[in-house]
Amino acid sequence: EVQMVESGGGLVKPGGSLRLSCEASGFIFSRYTMNWVRQAPGKGLEWVSSISSGGSDMNYADSVKGRFTISRDNAKNSLVLQMSSLRAEDTAVYYCARGITYYDLLTSRPLDCVFDQWGQGTLVTVSS
Amino acid sequence: DIQMTQSPSTLSASVGDSVTITCRASQSINTWLAWYQQTPGKAPKVLIYKASSLESGVPSRFSGSGSGTEFTLTISSLQPDDFATYYCQQYNSFPLTFGLGTKLEIK
Repeated sequence: EVQMVESGGGLVKPGGSLRLSCEASGFIFSRYTMNWVRQAPGKGLEWVSSISSGGSDMNYADSVKGRFTISRDNAKNSLVLQMSSLRAEDTAVYYCARGITYYDLLTSRPLDCVFDQWGQGTLVTVSS
Repeated sequence: DIQMTQSPSTLSASVGDSVTITCRASQSINTWLAWYQQTPGKAPKVLIYKASSLESGVPSRFSGSGSGTEFTLTISSLQPDDFATYYCQQYNSFPLTFGLGTKLEIK
């Protein structure tokens, strides 16, 4: 059974830092792009960051670029989001999501990605 | 960035009805579109990918169509479990973007 369990959420003051972790099991972790998607209270979904299967390519939303760092350890089946300079608007449930990469058959371009499996989420609250 | 615009934001319907939700992209995304369902307190679940491909295990009353900039999600013969919030998402290019969601409510 595919499972992803997030941890590390909590209450932090503006300007502070937090490290989120996602432990994955039930699938070959090293074969998948992994992602963080967040949802502010009562709001919609916002993609935060993606990391390629091998860990060499990372992408970030503009709203977190320069403040958040995504990383992974394929030997430990783990995904991490290091968050710094936190702001009130970063308050959200953070989901770890597995990504399926599709390929354009005409151009061979990779299309990242569809989120096919999700963790249960961890709540981050930024408040003084 | 590609903006995704969903309509309506709220939809009221009854069990047994058919409903359609629309998603428009600010530029062409070919068919690189997914639809998700989310119920309160739960993580989203993918229903459709590549605009019209049904995810394994998803009931056939869910269907998707469209290409380019205009897409639809249709749910036929609504069941009680279908009352939820639905999101579209483009994966044509980074940053990956979602629509704001459509809340499907019981009439």
